[in-house]
Amino acid sequence: GEDVEQSLFLSVREGDSSVINCTYTDSSSTYLYWYKQEPGAGLQLLTYIFSNMDMKQDQRLTVLLNKKDKHLSLRIADTQTGDSAIYFCAESGRGGSTLGRLYFGRGTQLTVWP
Amino acid sequence: DVKVTQSSRYLVKRTGEKVFLECVQDMDHENMFWYRQDPGLGLRLIYFSYDVKMKEKGDIPEGYSVSREKKERFSLILESASTNQTSMYLCASSSGGQGATEAFFGQGTRLTVV
Repeated sequence: GEDVEQSLFLSVREGDSSVINCTYTDSSSTYLYWYKQEPGAGLQLLTYIFSNMDMKQDQRLTVLLNKKDKHLSLRIADTQTGDSAIYFCAESGRGGSTLGRLYFGRGTQLTVWP
Repeated sequence: DVKVTQSSRYLVKRTGEKVFLECVQDMDHENMFWYRQDPGLGLRLIYFSYDVKMKEKGDIPEGYSVSREKKERFSLILESASTNQTSMYLCASSSGGQGATEAFFGQGTRLTVV
């Protein structure tokens, strides 16, 4: 199967770092993604990582991938109130009929307190 | 600016009505998807399409059908709406082929069936 698991809630203080964790089961996934959903909006791609990498940094965002444990994390440095949103982890499907399909976790609601 | 446009933001329909949700993308994408989003359940894939007149069932296709007569338009049809289909519906599109592909989402349609 292609189950993607993540915790539902995370609360942090403004200025702290946030770490959102995700586990996946399909070891053949080529890419792993983080999407962000702000209130009343659709999802927007934040960042992604290729499966042969173990880290990717993009400004305040750091993605860590532990392929052995099938664990993905998103670290947001200096978290701001504008980062409050739902964050979805997603993995790509295998080839064939699922090519192009993404498998999403349930989403982590990040709340940032001033 | 790339766009996925869903025809309605909010919709209220009666039980038993036939409901059409329309989605149009202007990026010439091959892939289009319909998800529903419910609190605590994340995104669940209803149907997707890799080409005109082509469709594949997702994880929860029961009670739904789709139509893709033109590349840019993907319609979700609720044949006989029921109260358990009250939900947020999200349309997405992405380009075909291998490699990391970004899925672009519409703003969502919040459907209430009374």
